[in-house]
Amino acid sequence: SQKIEQNSEALNIQEGKTATLTCNYTNYSPAYLQWYRQDPGRGPVFLLLIRENEKEKRKERLKVTFDTTLKQSLFHITASQPADSATYLCALDRTGGSYIPTFGRGTSLIVHP
Amino acid sequence: DGGITQSPKYLFRKEGQNVTLSCEQNLNHDAMYWYRQDPGQGLRLIYYSQIVNDFQKGDIAEGYSVSREKKESFPLTVTSAQKNPTAFYLCASSRGQGESEAFFGQGTRLTVV
Repeated sequence: SQKIEQNSEALNIQEGKTATLTCNYTNYSPAYLQWYRQDPGRGPVFLLLIRENEKEKRKERLKVTFDTTLKQSLFHITASQPADSATYLCALDRTGGSYIPTFGRGTSLIVHP
Repeated sequence: DGGITQSPKYLFRKEGQNVTLSCEQNLNHDAMYWYRQDPGQGLRLIYYSQIVNDFQKGDIAEGYSVSREKKESFPLTVTSAQKNPTAFYLCASSRGQGESEAFFGQGTRLTVV
């Protein structure tokens, strides 16, 4: 069955550094992949979408890559700030093209001043 | 001001009681979803609806029920049959077509007392 894996351990980095989060998936070939941000006690907020034929997507300090051979997406935040501290979730649409977002567990990012 | 609204934000339930969580959206979205999130866990799909008057079970539907009588509304009832209902419940909506992002409500934290 479809499986999405994100590092369950929190990522701690210093302000100003680049944070890199990983999303791996198995048993599926998604047409696209999405990244969301979730703050404690709040619902996730959409950040970026990358299609299977796109290698890289950028939005301000965010960059997402998508390697369909490795079945992996990397999410980068450059010049990180304490305000970037949150949990970041990747999501794929469910197998069969039903457009139902299926989420990974998320990785917590903590940016230290 | 378009968005998706969940209420209440906090809910306490006695064992053996049914409770209903409200979810309303004014985004004119066809698809709506209910997810459950437990500490350190990802979002697990309870039910989804891709069109009015139709809904489907997700991965953990046992002990829950929904209705979709109006496009704007997708209430979730947590029944007494749900053995471990204490969790954070998230409602989302989307256009339900390819590449559409999900918009989430603020969530309802349900606690069984």
